This record gives sequence, structure tokens and C-alpha cells, in this order.
Amino acid sequence: QKEVEQDPGPLSVPEGAIVSLNCTYSNSAFQYFMWYRQYSRKGPELLMYTYSSGNKEDGRFTAQVDKSSKYISLFIRDSQPSDSATYLCAMSGPHGSSNTGKLIFGQGTTLQVKP
Amino acid sequence: DGGITQSPKYLFRKEGQNVTLSCEQNLNHDAMYWYRQDPGQGLRLIYYSQIVNDFQKGDIAEGYSVSREKKESFPLTVTSAQKNPTAFYLCASKHGQGGSPLHFGNGTRLTVT
Repeated sequence: QKEVEQDPGPLSVPEGAIVSLNCTYSNSAFQYFMWYRQYSRKGPELLMYTYSSGNKEDGRFTAQVDKSSKYISLFIRDSQPSDSATYLCAMSGPHGSSNTGKLIFGQGTTLQVKP
Repeated sequence: DGGITQSPKYLFRKEGQNVTLSCEQNLNHDAMYWYRQDPGQGLRLIYYSQIVNDFQKGDIAEGYSVSREKKESFPLTVTSAQKNPTAFYLCASKHGQGGSPLHFGNGTRLTVT
């Protein structure tokens, strides 16, 4: 079993839809959670960064972390064709000998928003 | 503007040749990382360095080598011992050793024939 599971999709939605992207994980030590957006042939760019459980909102994007269920989500409201990309979740545990700040990535979900 | 520069964007090599991928950052970050990205496999860690003149193997280090002689630079050499070198290579950096996020360059697409 992978430490982080993410459905690769592809996920296709009409413009204006609410998009829900999810990851599950197995390591209860994870405390830092990130979402990256990656356009084709580009490097991933950081979208959202959260620590421990709770919600964080930034414009049309909302990140949720449920540590009790080991489940994180990214919601995109009023989705646009420019949101078409691959979305990667990533997480890491507290600094320590077994972690050293390394991120564990999900496989990525490919999203297409159709006009 | 601060950022991470990877060069070249596309690289072609013949099988059996070593090739070095460049990564430079002006973010004053301590730690630097190399990842490999293949379709359907996500990002896999090759090597990382938390301080100048020190680096550690990641999950798939075989067939690769790195150096960290300067804080700003972390070149990756893909050697002829790497059995399947064709991939998209991503360099990243971060501040400190804790849970701070990675910042990525725009990658180098290496094709070996």
C-alpha cells in the first residue's frame, strides 16, 4: 500500500462546476499538507499549504484536512478552463530523523475543465 | 525575481553517455532536491541535500550522482548505469529542514535513445 493514495482521473467537468480533489494517507505522523498544480511540461507550483487539521481558503480554492480520517481535499469553486492541470497532493511529518523534511507525493489527478 | 532555474528544458542523449542537468536557485534556500516524474508514477525522490557539501540518497538513487559545492547549485548527473533514464526531471528547494513546502523549477525533459 502506498503512503499516499490519489485517484489519477482524468476528471472532466463543465466550466463553473465545483471540483473536489482528494487524497488519503496511511502515516498518522503527517502534519504538513500541500496541494500543487502542474501544467503540462511545467514544474509544480504551490497552491495551498496547511498544518494539521482544519480548513484554509484562498480565493476559489479551499483545502481541508481531516487527520482523524487521514483524508485531505481540495475544492475549486467556479472552475475555469485555466484550472485544467494535474493536481498533486503532498505531505510530510514533523522534523526528525525519519523525515528530514521529505515530502511524500500523491500520483496526481488530471483535471479538465470544459468551456 | 527569485526562483529555481533548470537548464536545458529539453535534452537528448545517446545511450551510454553521461549527462548533467543543471539546477540553480537564488532563493537562499538551504535544502535542494531532485525528483523524477514518469507518467502514472508521480514524483520519486532521487537525491537531496540539506547543506553545502552534504547530500543523501533518495528512493531511486541508483544510476545518478550529485554534488553540492555551492548553496545555489545542485547539478544532477545521469550516468550510463541508469537503466531507464528517459523522464522529466524536477529540481526543488526549500527553506530549513521542517515541514515547509518545496518550490520547483520548470523541469528538464531528458530523452535517451
